[in-house]
Amino acid sequence: EDQVTQSPEALRLQEGESSSLNCSYTVSGLRGLFWYRQDPGKGPEFLFTLYSAGEEKEKERLKATLTKKESFLHITAPKPEDSATYLCAVDGTGDMRFGAGTRLTVKP
Amino acid sequence: EAGVAQSPRYKIIEKRQSVAFWCNPISGHATLYWYQQILGQGPKLLIQFQNNGVVDDSQLPKDRFSAERLKGVDSTLKIQPAKLEDSAVYLCASSPWAGNTEAFFGQGTRLTVV
Repeated sequence: EDQVTQSPEALRLQEGESSSLNCSYTVSGLRGLFWYRQDPGKGPEFLFTLYSAGEEKEKERLKATLTKKESFLHITAPKPEDSATYLCAVDGTGDMRFGAGTRLTVKP
Repeated sequence: EAGVAQSPRYKIIEKRQSVAFWCNPISGHATLYWYQQILGQGPKLLIQFQNNGVVDDSQLPKDRFSAERLKGVDSTLKIQPAKLEDSAVYLCASSPWAGNTEAFFGQGTRLTVV
């Protein structure tokens, strides 16, 4: 069965303190890995899709990378407005499977 | 461009009652998804439509949950009868592409079963 594990569950950073969020996955055949951002009381908002190991995508202060076993979401010099829950999801042999997310808090 | 619209935003019902949620996807989006998100967890796919046909409903508890997509546009998700463990946020999402792709989510309906 496809599995997605995100770590850490929660992360508190000071503004400007760079860090990385991890998404480990076990799927029979990865067709795509997705990163979403979810603010409280709202639906997830799409950030990136990665399809193959070695692929990287960037958007503002966020950079997503992919290996054969995991994906990282690197956040550089975060700002308070980057505070949210970050979800990853994998499309493997079954349906789209989401991780539980990492709740990021960035303090000014 | 208008986003995915869902209603109601909040609903409180007693166990064994029935409830229905409505979703209007982004215009022209062929694929529509219903997800269940329990507090502290990631969304779990309940059902996926391609136009008005069901693509995947393997995780839909069919003894109590049903969903339909009228004329390939709006969709409704119904729970009858509701159980305490159905308390969750029900998210609707749509995509212009087929299959499992990036999706555009609505704000969700928060259901509380008491």
